Amino acid sequence: DAGVIQSPRHEVTEMGQEVTLRCKPISGHNSLFWYRQTMMRGLELLIYFNNNVPIDDSGMPEDRFSAKMPNASFSTLKIQPSEPRDSAVYFCASSVHSYEQYFGPGTRLTVT
Amino acid sequence: GESVGLHLPTLSVQEGDNSIINCAYSNSASDYFIWYKQESGKGPQFIIDIRSNMDKRQGQRVTVLLNKTVKHLSLQIAATQPGDSAVYFCAETRGGADGLTFGKGTHLIIQP
Repeated sequence: DAGVIQSPRHEVTEMGQEVTLRCKPISGHNSLFWYRQTMMRGLELLIYFNNNVPIDDSGMPEDRFSAKMPNASFSTLKIQPSEPRDSAVYFCASSVHSYEQYFGPGTRLTVT
Repeated sequence: GESVGLHLPTLSVQEGDNSIINCAYSNSASDYFIWYKQESGKGPQFIIDIRSNMDKRQGQRVTVLLNKTVKHLSLQIAATQPGDSAVYFCAETRGGADGLTFGKGTHLIIQP
């Protein structure tokens, strides 16, 4: 199995630019989660979807962040405009049961 | 200068010894408690879970103990191996399609 696929693996961008992170969940998993990991705040849940529908986006830090899941095999997390404090590793995870989530390799975002 | 980040607790054990990693959780409404392992440069990986109506569960070389009275969770790893070196996170969830709330993590170092 391919596992959860994320792209790009690394992204370096300048402040003010739009950033789009992509995720392909494991086939057959009906829940998808976006997390952010920083040294300051650890692992934080940003938003999650069930059957392609956003369930809880209370973890999204600001209106600059948005996420979509147009179909069962694809999701995006967009930051517009990006700021240096958005620098982090962003993980996508998918699951059948929420307690057993399968994480992708992450996208390391650096905003200069 | 750099921001002050999380100072992860570190547990150093001799190869072959048993390891015990502890975690305090906060949400009494959580129904599942889970341990994840994160190796450097990778996403978190599911190890084992325990439901709130249990106090002990065993897996391969791992045992999770749950004490709801004091809101404490522990992970025991038997006969620790070099491949066990990683950061270990406890997490909790209400189950269903809910996301995970992660603890701060413990860095396990295996001494040869």
